[in-house]
Amino acid sequence: AQSVTQLDSQVPVFEEAPVELRCNYSSSVSVYLFWYVQYPNQGLQLLLKYLSGSTLVKGINGFEAEFNKSQTSFHLRKPSVHISDTAEYFCAVSDQEGAGNMLTFGGGTRLMVKP
Amino acid sequence: EAQVTQNPRYLITVTGKKLTVTCSQNMNHEYMSWYRQDPGLGLRQIYYSMNVEVTDKGDVPEGYKVSRKEKRNFPLILESPSPNQTSLYFCASSLWAGELFFGEGSRLTVL
Repeated sequence: AQSVTQLDSQVPVFEEAPVELRCNYSSSVSVYLFWYVQYPNQGLQLLLKYLSGSTLVKGINGFEAEFNKSQTSFHLRKPSVHISDTAEYFCAVSDQEGAGNMLTFGGGTRLMVKP
Repeated sequence: EAQVTQNPRYLITVTGKKLTVTCSQNMNHEYMSWYRQDPGLGLRQIYYSMNVEVTDKGDVPEGYKVSRKEKRNFPLILESPSPNQTSLYFCASSLWAGELFFGEGSRLTVL
């Protein structure tokens, strides 16, 4: 079984500042990693994913994340945020050996971008 | 347009009154899943289905039922809803479990 911990429930930041949303996971097997974004009153949409290969993954809207196997982390970053990035962000992990049947989500981080 | 459609989007009901939340996808996905979202807990999987007539329990299946008679539909059934099932529910579909397409959510209140 795997688990995901998002270390910050809320992250306030000023517009055009950089941001990092932290995600740590635990698993006894190899995993796939994801970040999803949920804008107000909407469902979740995929931001980026790590399946294999390069540990630096680029996603939509200028976001990127880096997989660090030794630290079991998959932190999400953006060099300069916009007001429109205000949303809730979820880190998720699925078990490679289980064919990804169970996608486990973290508790979410609410990013609040202030003008 | 590729989409996952849930109905109803909002529902207020009373304890014990059976209800069904429908979910339909038009992407011919084999995998479908239901999640509930509660503050601070993220999303927790209720049930999932790998294909027609193949369903399995997720993390929090108690109090829920599902069926998968057709590939496109995956309804969530609450036989006897209780207040602790007040939540925001999401249906999702995928070709495989990782890259999910979500519906817009169904907010359920059980009084």
